[in-house]
Amino acid sequence: EIVMTQSPATLSVSPGERATLSCRASQSVSGNVAWYQQKPGQAPRLLINGASTRATGIPARFSGSGSGTEFTLTISSLQSEDFAVYYCQEYSNWPPLLTFGGGTKVEIK
Amino acid sequence: EVQLLESGGGLVQPGGSLRLSCAASGFPFSIYAMSWVRQAPGKGLEWVSTISGSGIRTYYADSVKGRFTISRDNSKNTVFLQMNTLRAEDTAVYYCAKDPGSTPYYFDFWGQGTLVTVSS
Repeated sequence: EIVMTQSPATLSVSPGERATLSCRASQSVSGNVAWYQQKPGQAPRLLINGASTRATGIPARFSGSGSGTEFTLTISSLQSEDFAVYYCQEYSNWPPLLTFGGGTKVEIK
Repeated sequence: EVQLLESGGGLVQPGGSLRLSCAASGFPFSIYAMSWVRQAPGKGLEWVSTISGSGIRTYYADSVKGRFTISRDNSKNTVFLQMNTLRAEDTAVYYCAKDPGSTPYYFDFWGQGTLVTVSS
């Protein structure tokens, strides 16, 4: 089973600043990583798939990068609506054993 | 507009059973794989199961294999999760999610979830 490790667990950022979130896979997942945003009491929302492709309607301030075992989600200038928990997920295994990272909470500094 | 509406959650005793439903609309249902993802209170996300668009292929997390069964009725645009031999650790919000293709990848649309509580 592939383990996805996110860091840091909590990231304190001021509005307007850049946020950089990391996700590490225990073995290579190529570019098969998605990122989700989840706000309290809401369902997750897809942000990024294929490590770097923004989903429909996602603002350009969200960007993803990486391949193999190291992945990054960057929010270039944090808006008030971006404070949330972010999860990475790999989808490289076959048969599938889809796994999520433990999440990074982005909070207001 | 894609809409996913879960139902069927509730309180059940350990060892009991529950059947969740997810009614889908806004897309050609039979083309896409559908999944269930759960989230225990205060915890992260855990993939539970996926079913292919045709319903022929099913996939399960090890934690639920042999106890849960995913199925779908393409004539009613609905996917189901039959949960048997429930345990306290199955307590979670269960989300129905749409896959972007015919096999399990990631989840491009999510329902609002239904809470399952396993407790005596």
